[in-house]
Amino acid sequence: KQEVTQIPAALSVPEGENLVLNCSFTDSAIYNLQWFRQDPGKGLTSLLLIQSSQREQTSGRLNASLDKSSGRSTLYIAASQPGDSATYLCAVRGSGGGADGLTFGKGTHLIIQP
Amino acid sequence: DVKVTQSSRYLVKRTGEKVFLECVQDMDHENMFWYRQDPGLGLRLIYFSYDVKMKEKGDIPEGYSVSREKKERFSLILESASTNQTSMYLCATVQGYEQYFGPGTRLTVT
Repeated sequence: KQEVTQIPAALSVPEGENLVLNCSFTDSAIYNLQWFRQDPGKGLTSLLLIQSSQREQTSGRLNASLDKSSGRSTLYIAASQPGDSATYLCAVRGSGGGADGLTFGKGTHLIIQP
Repeated sequence: DVKVTQSSRYLVKRTGEKVFLECVQDMDHENMFWYRQDPGLGLRLIYFSYDVKMKEKGDIPEGYSVSREKKERFSLILESASTNQTSMYLCATVQGYEQYFGPGTRLTVT
């Protein structure tokens, strides 16, 4: 059974720093990996999706990488801002594709200090 | 933009009540999902559906059932609500390769 782990569980950094969030998964037979952001009491917002054949995706100050063979992904946030404070979730979809649900990590709770 | 809506943001029900959580998507997507989210346990898949009247159990289906009579609507049913079903419930749909979530329903069972 797929297991997804996110490290660290919580992170607090000053504004302006570059930071890296880590995600690892136990079964490398994935269809894709998706990073989400969740604000307190709200639903999930999709940030980046990496297909199993891809190595990285970028959106603005965010860059996500995928090393499928080692079961790892990182989310890099450049020049962090207080508005980036949220919980970041990593999720993988099984090799069954769109019909499969996602397996989630427990998230990294990020606080950016002004 | 993909739009996924859930019927209630907050819901309080009593133990033993039958509870319906509704999810509607407006993009004609085939695949829809129900998750629950609990502190320390993260998000876990309850049920999903890949077509009208089709359903598949996720990781934690016990105590739940689902209904998909129309493509745009996927309902989660708690036949007899219990206090351990107090949780945040999130509905999702898939467009292309990405999963999109509704705003969530925070259910409290007293």
